[in-house]
Amino acid sequence: EVQLVQSGAEVKKPGESLKISCKGSGYSFTSYWIGWVRQMPGKGLEWMGIIYPGDSDTRYSPSFQGQVTISADKSISTAYLQWSSLKASDTAMYYCVRHRGIAEEVDAFDIWGQGTMVTVSS
Amino acid sequence: AIRMTQSPSSLSASTGDRVTITCRASQGISSYLAWYQQKPGKAPKLLIYAASTLQSGVPSRFSGSGSGTDFTLTISCLQSEDFATYYCQQYYSYPPGFGQGTKLEIK
Repeated sequence: EVQLVQSGAEVKKPGESLKISCKGSGYSFTSYWIGWVRQMPGKGLEWMGIIYPGDSDTRYSPSFQGQVTISADKSISTAYLQWSSLKASDTAMYYCVRHRGIAEEVDAFDIWGQGTMVTVSS
Repeated sequence: AIRMTQSPSSLSASTGDRVTITCRASQGISSYLAWYQQKPGKAPKLLIYAASTLQSGVPSRFSGSGSGTDFTLTISCLQSEDFATYYCQQYYSYPPGFGQGTKLEIK
């Protein structure tokens, strides 16, 4: 079964760092772009950025450039989203997603992780 | 960035009804348009890509149409499990953007 499994919920304080993960299985992890999507409480979906695990080529939304870092470790089929200094406004559900087509840099998202809830509160 | 606008924002309907949701792009996106369904507490699910191609496993009561700037998602005969929030998404150019969502509720 093709799936993306994300790390568990996190509760952090403002200013702390965080790295959440997304492990792919059931397919060739290095051949498909992986993205991250934010959903703030009660709100819609926002595209954050993507990475191609085969060579770690990365793209960011202007809204998130410099605010987060996307990385991947192809040896363990895992992508990451990290923050160096969290803010209360980072409180949201974060989904990792797989692009539908092999090596397609722009595409629909056919596989979604279950989501990681990040809560930032003092 | 291309702006995606859905209408209506919410919709009340009954089981068995035919419903249509519209998505408009601020500039032409050819057929690079996807539709997703999200139920409360769950991750979104891909329904349609390339504006009109049904994702594997999605019931045939769902259909999509359109190209350029105007697109529609139609559910031909609503079932109880279809009450959810629906999002359109363009993947024609960076950054890929979503509509604000349409919440489909039971009348």
